[in-house]
Amino acid sequence: GQNIDQPTEMTATEGAIVQINCTYQTSGFNGLFWYQQHAGEAPTFLSYNVLDGLEEKGRFSSFLSRSKGYSYLLLKELQMKDSASYLCAVHNAGNNRKLIWGLGTSLAVNP
Amino acid sequence: DAGVTQSPTHLIKTRGQHVTLRCSPISGHKSVSWYQQVLGQGPQFIFQYYEKEERGRGNFPDRFSARQFPNYSSELNVNALLLGDSALYLCASSRETGLIADTQYFGPGTRLTVL
Repeated sequence: GQNIDQPTEMTATEGAIVQINCTYQTSGFNGLFWYQQHAGEAPTFLSYNVLDGLEEKGRFSSFLSRSKGYSYLLLKELQMKDSASYLCAVHNAGNNRKLIWGLGTSLAVNP
Repeated sequence: DAGVTQSPTHLIKTRGQHVTLRCSPISGHKSVSWYQQVLGQGPQFIFQYYEKEERGRGNFPDRFSARQFPNYSSELNVNALLLGDSALYLCASSRETGLIADTQYFGPGTRLTVL
């Protein structure tokens, strides 16, 4: 089967660092995306990993290990506005090309 | 440049009715995907269209249908609405070069409420 697992909720303090993990089991793999979604809004693109390693983009970094079926999103210098749901999505290669989405991790940043 | 646009933003229908949701992709994007998102869950894939052809279909009943027009805009139709169809319907566009997984950019969504 195809499955993506993320923690349901996380809490962190303003200015701190938080790591959101994502593990996946899919029949094909053509890259992994992280999206941020604020309540009542559409998801916005954060990062894309297709090769193993760390991709850094400002305060956000994303890591991928294809052999372990594992990724994480690292948020540094947390701000209140980072309170949102963070969605992990795997692009499934093959005939039925589609994104398979996790349920999202709801991050609450406290002062 | 304009992003993905969707209409209407909100919609209230009653059980048994049908609904048509519309989406215009980012200029230059040839692929449109539709998702259903229930509160507290990730998006669920419904359809993907590329160059007016259906490329992928999720696990949704035949009450759900879609099409893509020559200008790459798209419509999602849902017939015989059920209470469980109440959700945020998201449209995402991408270039879909076919070589790699292209980033999908989402519209603001249509909030459908079925009473």
